[in-house]
Order: sequence, then C-alpha cells, then structure tokens
Amino acid sequence: SQQGEEDPQALSIQEGENATMNCSYKTSINNLQWYRQNSGRGLVHLILIRSNEREKHSGRLRVTLDTSKKSSSLLITASRAADTASYFCAPRGGSEKLVFGKGTKLTVNP
Amino acid sequence: NAGVTQTPKFQVLKTGQSMTLQCAQDMNHEYMSWYRQDPGMGLRLIHYSVGAGITDQGEVPNGYNVSRSTTEDFPLRLLSAAPSQTSVYFCASCHRFGDGTEAFFGQGTRLTVV
Repeated sequence: SQQGEEDPQALSIQEGENATMNCSYKTSINNLQWYRQNSGRGLVHLILIRSNEREKHSGRLRVTLDTSKKSSSLLITASRAADTASYFCAPRGGSEKLVFGKGTKLTVNP
Repeated sequence: NAGVTQTPKFQVLKTGQSMTLQCAQDMNHEYMSWYRQDPGMGLRLIHYSVGAGITDQGEVPNGYNVSRSTTEDFPLRLLSAAPSQTSVYFCASCHRFGDGTEAFFGQGTRLTVV
C-alpha cells in the first residue's frame, strides 16, 4: 500500500504565519499528491509533485519531495482563516489503490 | 462537467435494512473508490475498482458490496445495516496512469443507522 503518514496530527497557528506539514511513505512512487478537506466535505486536490521533481509551487503553496528520505512537506505561506482544514497526502505508485492517512488538522486563528 | 456525484446526501436506516449509495462520474476515469470517514479520523478505503468489471477490497470491506458494470457508476451496497456503519461515505475517481491521476471526490453521504 502507498499510504502516507502526515505529521503533525494537529497544528494551530495565527493568521499570517506559515504552516508546514509533513508526509512520510514507505515505497517508491510516481508522484505524490496533497489534498485539503474542509469540515465534512469531500477532499479537494491541491498539488501534485512528480518523483523527479524536488520542489513545486502553486500560489501560497510550496511542496517539496525527498525521495531518498521518502518524505514530502507542504508549506502554506501567509495563512488565512480560510486555510483551516485537514490536509492529506497521497503517494501514488503506478495504478495502485488510493489510500490516505489520518491527515493534519490545521487551525488558523484570526 | 458534473465531476463526481453522490446520492443521497443524507440517509437514516434502521438496523438490518439494506440500501445502495450511488456514485457516478463523467470524466471517463478508470479508477473509482469508496471510503468511510468517522469523527476525527482519516478516510478508510472500503472497496475500489480499476475499471469496469474489476473490483477489489480495501481496508474495511466487511458488510459492503460493490459492482462496476460501467465506467461511470460505482454503487456501494450495504447488505444489512448496523450501527457501526454510521459514518460519512465518500466516493472518488481518477485516472490510473500518467500525470492526471489526481482524484476527484463527491460531496459525501451522511449515513446514520439506528
């Protein structure tokens, strides 16, 4: 299974601060994806980083990938209250099933 | 483009009743999967399918059946509902290969078994 494990489980910051969350996985991958879940809603895809990429940006999101350490990090800069959500990583290898860990619950306080 | 559509959004069942949760996608995705999410927990994979006519079990398959007769539809059947199946259910779909493997999720079905 390609399940990732997110760390920390919970993170509370003030608006304007940066938020960093991490993902570790165990097997080789083709890409790694990050998703956001607002309370009770379906997951929404945020960003995909390929296994041959080390860093990728999308707006206020920055994702890094270290395949030698089998880890990834998601940085959200200048956090807003609207970023309050749970964040999940999904390492993807070939056509394997899509599984998720328990996620990181981010709270951004106004 | 509707994406992934789940019905119903809410459902209350009595113990022992059966029902089918519907999931449809219009993106010609090969892969579809069902998850359940309990309070404060992540998503646990129930069943998944990599194409029409192909299904396989996930982490928590007991008490659920699936079939995939078309690319578009992936219904989840609860055979005899139990209170332990009270949860929020999500359906997802994506392409299997290539860069476009990001998943799209339905809005969820909130199921209560009394």
